[in-house]
Amino acid sequence: KAGVTQTPRYLIKTRGQQVTLSCSPISGHRSVSWYQQTPGQGLQFLFEYFSETQRNKGNFPGRFSGRQFSNSRSEMNVSTLELGDSALYLCASSLVAGRETQYFGPGTRLLVL
Amino acid sequence: GENVEQHPSTLSVQEGDSAVIKCTYSDSASNYFPWYKQELGKRPQLIIDIRSNVGEKKDQRIAVTLNKTAKHFSLHITETQPEDSAVYFCAASRAPGGGADGLTFGKGTHLIIQP
Repeated sequence: KAGVTQTPRYLIKTRGQQVTLSCSPISGHRSVSWYQQTPGQGLQFLFEYFSETQRNKGNFPGRFSGRQFSNSRSEMNVSTLELGDSALYLCASSLVAGRETQYFGPGTRLLVL
Repeated sequence: GENVEQHPSTLSVQEGDSAVIKCTYSDSASNYFPWYKQELGKRPQLIIDIRSNVGEKKDQRIAVTLNKTAKHFSLHITETQPEDSAVYFCAASRAPGGGADGLTFGKGTHLIIQP
């Protein structure tokens, strides 16, 4: 099976802009979670989607949002970008929510200038 | 919410020796503890996981132990090899898929295998 894929892999934006990142889960997986990875804060949970519904949300401001489509693909959006949003954004998929192991994608590296 | 502490932040061992990384967690309801290995520029990859109804799990040179009473779990790597060099993350959650707060990760341990 193909693994989790994320697009784009690299992105450069300026402060104030918005960005949309995409994640395609492993075929058959219906749950997608998003994480932010930075050197200072490590890996932090953003949100989880299952069956097109947000199940859980981490402690991030409302500028961070996401959605999931009927084919389980997920997107996350960050509006009004700040310098501190520069990070590696990872998505992880699992078969169902709350019961199965998560497998990570390669990440999207976002640089905000 | 859950808080996971991981030690040490850097660990250097001679090739062939054993390496031990320790994590503690705060939420007594956590029942799923995975370990991920992340090589430079690559995605985190699950190397082993343990659920709270098991005290120890082994997979070749890797083992994880869990002490629910003390709320700590450890990763043991024996006969270390150069390809074991990476950053290792422990995590905890109330369910394998993440539970209410997703996976809560430790800050990571940079394991360096000296030739």
